[in-house]
Amino acid sequence: SQQGEEDPQALSIQEGENATMNCSYKTSINNLQWYRQNSGRGLVHLILIRSNEREKHSGRLRVTLDTSKKSSSLLITASRAADTASYFCATDSTGGTSYGKLTFGQGTILTVHP
Amino acid sequence: DAGVTQSPTHLIKTRGQQVTLRCSPISGHKSVSWYQQVLGQGPQFIFQYYEKEERGRGNFPDRFSARQFPNYSSELNVNALLLGDSALYLCASSLSYGGFYGYTFGSGTRLTVV
Repeated sequence: SQQGEEDPQALSIQEGENATMNCSYKTSINNLQWYRQNSGRGLVHLILIRSNEREKHSGRLRVTLDTSKKSSSLLITASRAADTASYFCATDSTGGTSYGKLTFGQGTILTVHP
Repeated sequence: DAGVTQSPTHLIKTRGQQVTLRCSPISGHKSVSWYQQVLGQGPQFIFQYYEKEERGRGNFPDRFSARQFPNYSSELNVNALLLGDSALYLCASSLSYGGFYGYTFGSGTRLTVV
């Protein structure tokens, strides 16, 4: 079953605008990761934020994590047409048999128009 | 350095047949995980192997099995294929048992069952 819910399901913006995607999850986590997927191919790891971190930056990406609300957001600044892809959040959960596996959300389809 | 390699890239099988998918992790990575991604959904965890032992199993029937070899490469086997097994199968490798360092995904094997 999917742990996370992502919002929005689809996002359409113009080049140069910022894109924000949100992810909510249900259980305690070790870390939360964001991935990009182009045209149904492999997943590309974007950024990992640990449960004791609140914000992380990587290039044009900014990720926040609020463990009290069990939510995260991914901000892509100054978007480019090449950012067009599906974006997934995935949680790495604590404890028991779920340790060491990723639980993915349904994804957000981002379209950036030139 | 080669990334995670999966073979074959595409495969068409008939209902009831058996299929074997292969994955070679990044050199030095001892953990391999398998995911199934049905069209329009996020990936679902199938198995994780670490140091040649099964460390986690998702909610999949016994028709799904896997193994990891001494060189840390892995095979996923699916018996008695059903139409619903049509999906993108993704392999991910990581340095550690848990996802502390994140995961690197291969480009996937697209399986079509007819």
